[in-house]
Amino acid sequence: DGGITQSPKYLFRKEGQNVTLSCEQNLNHDAMYWYRQDPGQGLRLIYYSQIVNDFQKGDIAEGYSVSREKKESFPLTVTSAQKNPTAFYLCASSLEAGHGEQYFGPGTRLTVT
Amino acid sequence: QQQVKQSPQSLIVQKGGISIINCAYENTAFDYFPWYQQFPGKGPALLIAIRPDVSEKKEGRFTISFNKSAKQFSLHIMDSQPGDSATYFCAAGGGGTGGFKTIFGAGTRLFVKA
Repeated sequence: DGGITQSPKYLFRKEGQNVTLSCEQNLNHDAMYWYRQDPGQGLRLIYYSQIVNDFQKGDIAEGYSVSREKKESFPLTVTSAQKNPTAFYLCASSLEAGHGEQYFGPGTRLTVT
Repeated sequence: QQQVKQSPQSLIVQKGGISIINCAYENTAFDYFPWYQQFPGKGPALLIAIRPDVSEKKEGRFTISFNKSAKQFSLHIMDSQPGDSATYFCAAGGGGTGGFKTIFGAGTRLFVKA
């Protein structure tokens, strides 16, 4: 089965801790994306990557970091610098950046207390 | 110029009725306009998409109407069903975002009453 997997589905952390969200795709897509979704605010782009070993900041990158060491993997680290990290995080991929359908994972709901 | 404005924020429709969601954009360099459907606790999934060289695209009960001169596009759901209750996002991508991003609208929560 081709698709995008995100783990875990639910994640709980204490304030001040860094946490890494996993995203893996077996669609052989070049482009991958991380979005944050808050109620009533749609999808906001955190980071995106066009190809391996390359990534660019999106609209709300502060307090987040990513890596793209492998084509199929694009993990997101939510650092302690992120002021309001509690949210639903979505990973997506597309054949090429900016064009065509984006395939989304099931999301990770992060709660920081 | 990078925004995509979506309305209404929420919509209640009777079963069998027509649901209409509207979106507007400013940057004429956008060349790909998808609609995504999202159920609670799930990731969005592509519903239907259109390129600016056509004015309408229909897939089953779902139709996109595209008005290039007005820089507007809309989603029509005919014979709306309770199973259509979800959040719908319009988006714009391709040229105009540096070519690498898709800009999403804020979403419309649709509720179809049985």
